[in-house]
Amino acid sequence: NAGVTQTPKFQVLKTGQSMTLQCAQDMNHNSMYWYRQDPGMGLRLIYYSASEGTTDKGEVPNGYNVSRLNKREFSLRLESAAPSQTSVYFCASTQGAVETQYFGPGTRLLVL
Amino acid sequence: AQSVTQLGSHVSVSEGALVLLRCNYSSSVPPYLFWYVQYPNQGLQLLLKYTSAATLVKGINGFEAEFKKSETSFHLTKPSAHMSDAAEYFCAVSYNQGGKLIFGQGTELSVKP
Repeated sequence: NAGVTQTPKFQVLKTGQSMTLQCAQDMNHNSMYWYRQDPGMGLRLIYYSASEGTTDKGEVPNGYNVSRLNKREFSLRLESAAPSQTSVYFCASTQGAVETQYFGPGTRLLVL
Repeated sequence: AQSVTQLGSHVSVSEGALVLLRCNYSSSVPPYLFWYVQYPNQGLQLLLKYTSAATLVKGINGFEAEFKKSETSFHLTKPSAHMSDAAEYFCAVSYNQGGKLIFGQGTELSVKP
């Protein structure tokens, strides 16, 4: 049982390049989330998908887009990367509001 | 806006000493409350959660937390610190809005031999 997986683990981009971060969960969870983690700021929600077929903005959505491809997969896209998007990105999933969110191992992104 | 405040970005204790990590939330409506731990270069994992049952919640690795509505607090404690407890700890709240979590800034716990 892999839980939540993320690819890639590490990526270096140049300003203006695009990329997609992949996330998949094998727990049959309804809800999935993308967070970014920056020093001293905790984790901030970028986008989430409460159920298959729906997506909503979180606290810091600017510069990002998401796709809930199916119940298992939720991808995050940076169309034109900026240095301010240098961060560690975490994907998470849960079955419901009071249930545990399970986190992936993270993707470290450096934008030069 | 709803928020979570963790007092102290860094806490250092000696091995065997009491661990106390503080968390306060801003809403008058009691939320669901969580503590997560993050070891270096890993994702977050749940330590414990409060979902309106018992106010004293026991979690993994000997940690516990008490929900105090009057103080809008959910402080994390452990009677005796181990070296393996060194990690970053995050308090988070949920108001049942699509399961979204609002995280505190995190507290890095160091344990001295």
